[in-house]
Amino acid sequence: DIQMTQSPSSLSASVGDRVTITCRASQGISNYLAWYQQKPGKVPKLLIYTASTLQSGVPSRFSGSGSGTDFTLTISSLQPEDVATYYCQKYNSAPFTFGPGTKVDIK
Amino acid sequence: EVQLVQSGAEVKKPGESLKISCKGSGYSFTNYWIGWVRQMPGKGLEWMGIIYPDDSDTRYSPSFQGQVTISADKSISTAYLQWSSLKASDTAMYYCARRGGLGSPIDYWGQGTLVTVSS
Repeated sequence: DIQMTQSPSSLSASVGDRVTITCRASQGISNYLAWYQQKPGKVPKLLIYTASTLQSGVPSRFSGSGSGTDFTLTISSLQPEDVATYYCQKYNSAPFTFGPGTKVDIK
Repeated sequence: EVQLVQSGAEVKKPGESLKISCKGSGYSFTNYWIGWVRQMPGKGLEWMGIIYPDDSDTRYSPSFQGQVTISADKSISTAYLQWSSLKASDTAMYYCARRGGLGSPIDYWGQGTLVTVSS
């Protein structure tokens, strides 16, 4: 089965900083990659799908890129409400494995 | 409005059985895959498996194959996750989630069901 990894596992940045999270698949998954945001105590929320398509209602400071095995999620200007854990997920075929998550907080 | 409403929190003892539910509404339940996701306390999301309610085609993550059973009753638009013999390590929040169509990711989530297994 394809394994998903993320880096870093956690990061601390200042408000307004540009933040980049990386997700890597152990085999190519084309662009079948989604990013989810989970705030503490809340249900996960879809941010980006097909690696770079922003889900309706998601702020434009979020963006995604990549294809094949290497993907990135970028927050162009970190806001206090972006404190959360971010997960990537492959969905080209079952099992739809999640990455281990990246915890983002404010410095 | 698409909604996935899960059954309430459960407290069980090791060795007991359990079946939790996820009722879909606001869309054609039979035409969308429903998956289950585990989140152990303080840990990440783990994909358990997924079912297509129209024909009950089910796919399990290797980590959960044989450990749980996923089923669905399309007549009442409800998916289920069940255990025959719970362990303390099954203590977690369990989410059901809808896959948004062929080639799509999860687009809607249930509110979660907290399962606590303790003697």
